[in-house]
Amino acid sequence: GDSVTQMEGPVTLSEEAFLTINCTYTATGYPSLFWYVQYPGEGLQLLLKATKADDKGSNKGFEATYRKETTSFHLEKGSVQVSDSAVYFCALSERGTSGSRLTFGEGTQLTVNP
Amino acid sequence: EPEVTQTPSHQVTQMGQEVILRCVPISNHLYFYWYRQILGQKVEFLVSFYNNEISEKSEIFDDQFSVERPDGSNFTLKIRSTKLEDSAMYFCASNRGRSDTQYFGPGTRLTVL
Repeated sequence: GDSVTQMEGPVTLSEEAFLTINCTYTATGYPSLFWYVQYPGEGLQLLLKATKADDKGSNKGFEATYRKETTSFHLEKGSVQVSDSAVYFCALSERGTSGSRLTFGEGTQLTVNP
Repeated sequence: EPEVTQTPSHQVTQMGQEVILRCVPISNHLYFYWYRQILGQKVEFLVSFYNNEISEKSEIFDDQFSVERPDGSNFTLKIRSTKLEDSAMYFCASNRGRSDTQYFGPGTRLTVL
């Protein structure tokens, strides 16, 4: 079945550091790929998405590129802020007729220190 | 901005008791979902619901679980006889079309004692 693997966490960075959170996937078809973020006490919010190979999703300075050849969708940000501290989830959705269940990775806790 | 809401935020129950978790999806959305996250584990899909019936369910969603849209706004998850291993955060989500972005609620933390 489908699966998503994220880099082991937690990740602790200083403000303005470069962020990479690795995500690789296994899927039988051509999935859509997502990054969701969960701030403390809140639900999951969509951060960005990409629906086909070589698409780049971007939002709030974060970006990720859909790499079919390496089955990856790594999240990057050039300069993190304290307010980026949250849990980040990589996810995929297969295009099927019965719905669009999301398959999530383990989540990566990011802490950004001033 | 419209949002998905869930009640209660935290539910504590005794093993064997029935619980109902409530969700109010975004008003013009047609597809509804439940996910759960056991502490320290992945977020897992439970069930999707469309046009007043289950469209897909996972192997986790056994006979102890049921979902219902009792009126035009609520979407509920019922666990008939809770077990210790049902302790988790339960998330409701909705979207307008099945390929659209899913919007999540803040979750209900269920603790089974």
